[in-house]
Parts: sequence; C-alpha cells; structure tokens
Amino acid sequence: AQKITQTQPGMFVQEKEAVTLDCTYDTSDPSYGLFWYKQPSSGEMIFLIYQGSYDQQNATEGRYSLNFQKARKSANLVISASQLGDSAMYFCAMRAAGKSTFGDGTTLTVKP
Amino acid sequence: GAVVSQHPSWVICKSGTSVKIECRSLDFQATTMFWYRQFPKQSLMLMATSNEGSKATYEQGVEKDKFLINHASLTLSTLTVTSAHPEDSSFYICSASVDAGGPRYNEQFFGPGTRLTVL
Repeated sequence: AQKITQTQPGMFVQEKEAVTLDCTYDTSDPSYGLFWYKQPSSGEMIFLIYQGSYDQQNATEGRYSLNFQKARKSANLVISASQLGDSAMYFCAMRAAGKSTFGDGTTLTVKP
Repeated sequence: GAVVSQHPSWVICKSGTSVKIECRSLDFQATTMFWYRQFPKQSLMLMATSNEGSKATYEQGVEKDKFLINHASLTLSTLTVTSAHPEDSSFYICSASVDAGGPRYNEQFFGPGTRLTVL
C-alpha cells in the first residue's frame, strides 16, 4: 500500500524567512515520482516541484527545493524567502504503479 | 502546455436535479482522467479513474449510479452528479495524465476545479 504522511496541519513563517514542510512516504515500488502542489483559496492545484525516485540530485525550482532522503523515505519541501502570496495549503503526493496518493496537506501562513 | 480546463467553475442547483461537469485536456491527449472530491481543509479523495472508451473504475464507497463518468474522447471526460442532494456539495477536481513519456513520472495535470452547491 502507498502512503503519504504530512505531520504538520498548520505552519507559520515570517515573511522573507525560509520554511520546511515535511513529507514522508511509503511504497514498495522501486519506481515512483514525488510531487508538491500548492492550493490557494481559489482551489486550483498548482504544481511546484517534482522528484523522481532515481534522481540523484535534489530538485530545485526557483524558491522551491525538495530535500529528498530516499533511505528515510522523506521528501520535504523547502520554501526560501517566503512571500505573503505563499500562504496556501500544500500537498505532497506520490505517483507509483499508476496510482496517486496525496497527503492530508499543510496550511502555510506567511506573516508580514 | 498541459492545460486542463473544467466547466463550470461553480454551480448552484436545487436538490433532486442533475449536474454535469466537463473536464477537457486542451493541448494534449489524456490517456487517463481522474475525478477527485475535496471537502474544505481536507485532502483530495479519488472518486474514479477513467480511460477513453472504457468504463470508469470507481473507488470503494463511491456510488456508480450517482456519479456517472463518461470518457468520450482523449480530451474530454464528464462527471454527472445525478439527483444531487445537499451532501453532494463539494469541490470537484479533475486531472488528466499521459501514461507514457514526459519528464515527470506519469504526471497528472489538474483542472481548476468546480464548486458545487446543492440547495
């Protein structure tokens, strides 16, 4: 069975600071993809960053980076230099064996 | 590229009526389309998976006769909520994927969602 665990229901960060959103996963499939999405209040799922199970380097996309620790089965999202517009719900997801599994999400609030 | 649209973006209907939501992949042909339901502050719950030209595969607990899914072409899937009731009020999101190729493993591309309110 596949599982994604996000242990932080809510997080606060000061504007311009960095924040780490935690994600651990479980799968027996050797081939999988890990995704992070941002969902603002409008509801749209916005793709942020992707990490493949065979990728040797941690993924980076602008202010987003993914701290991939395969042995620990963790895929934490790091947002640098937080902005007010980063306030949203963030979902970690895994795609393996034709199925997607989503975490429960973390609500991030950026304080001015 | 990889744009998925949904229509309508929001709908209000009376109890007992049926509502159809369309999901289109605008610039690619989707091998598989997915329908999710999401309650406020909760995760996405997969309702069903559909492949073009074949019957949808519903998740356990999802009523097939209530949530009709038609995947008519490689670019269009529809979800019809039949005889809607207030408890069907929710945010419905579709996504589409191409099962082979691409830089990201079987990536799903999401539509903007449809907010359904049943009075």
